[in-house]
Amino acid sequence: SQQGEEDPQALSIQEGENATMNCSYKTSINNLQWYRQNSGRGLVHLILIRSNEREKHSGRLRVTLDTSKKSSSLLITASRAADTASYFCATMQGGSEKLVFGKGMKLTVNP
Amino acid sequence: DAGVTQSPTHLIKTRGQQVTLRCSPKSGHDTVSWYQQALGQGPQFIFQYYEEEERQRGNFPDRFSGHQFPNYSSELNVNALLLGDSALYLCASRERGLAGFAGELFFGEGSRLTVL
Repeated sequence: SQQGEEDPQALSIQEGENATMNCSYKTSINNLQWYRQNSGRGLVHLILIRSNEREKHSGRLRVTLDTSKKSSSLLITASRAADTASYFCATMQGGSEKLVFGKGMKLTVNP
Repeated sequence: DAGVTQSPTHLIKTRGQQVTLRCSPKSGHDTVSWYQQALGQGPQFIFQYYEEEERQRGNFPDRFSGHQFPNYSSELNVNALLLGDSALYLCASRERGLAGFAGELFFGEGSRLTVL
């Protein structure tokens, strides 16, 4: 079963705009991670935020975590056409190395 | 430095057949996990191997089995294939010897299995 659910399921924006994706999950977690997948290929790790962190930055990425609401958001600033991909949030619970993924969100950045 | 490599990249089987997928972890990694990703869905955890033993297992039937070799590479075997086994099978590895690991996984490009 899948724990996370990304929202919206699809987003289309223009190059240079910001893209925000939201993720909700159901159980307590150790950390939450965001991955990117191009056209059904392998997953690429983007950023990890631990349960005791509220915000984290990496380059053009900003992720927030609200454990009280069991939700996270990923912001991609100044988007580029190369950011076009599917994005997944995934949670890891304490005592387990299993990642539980959401269904993913398809981002299209138009040049 | 090679990343996670998987083979074959694509394969077609018929119902009832058996399939073996292979994975070599990233250099310096000793733990391998397998995930199944159906079309339009997120990956689902199948199992994890460490020190040649299955350490964790997801909600998959016994038709799914695996193996890890002394060089840390791994195989995923699926017996009595069903149409619903058609999916992208992803292998992931993580660094060696991290106590209390809570970090990123490195994924291969996957093996796309089609069952007819």
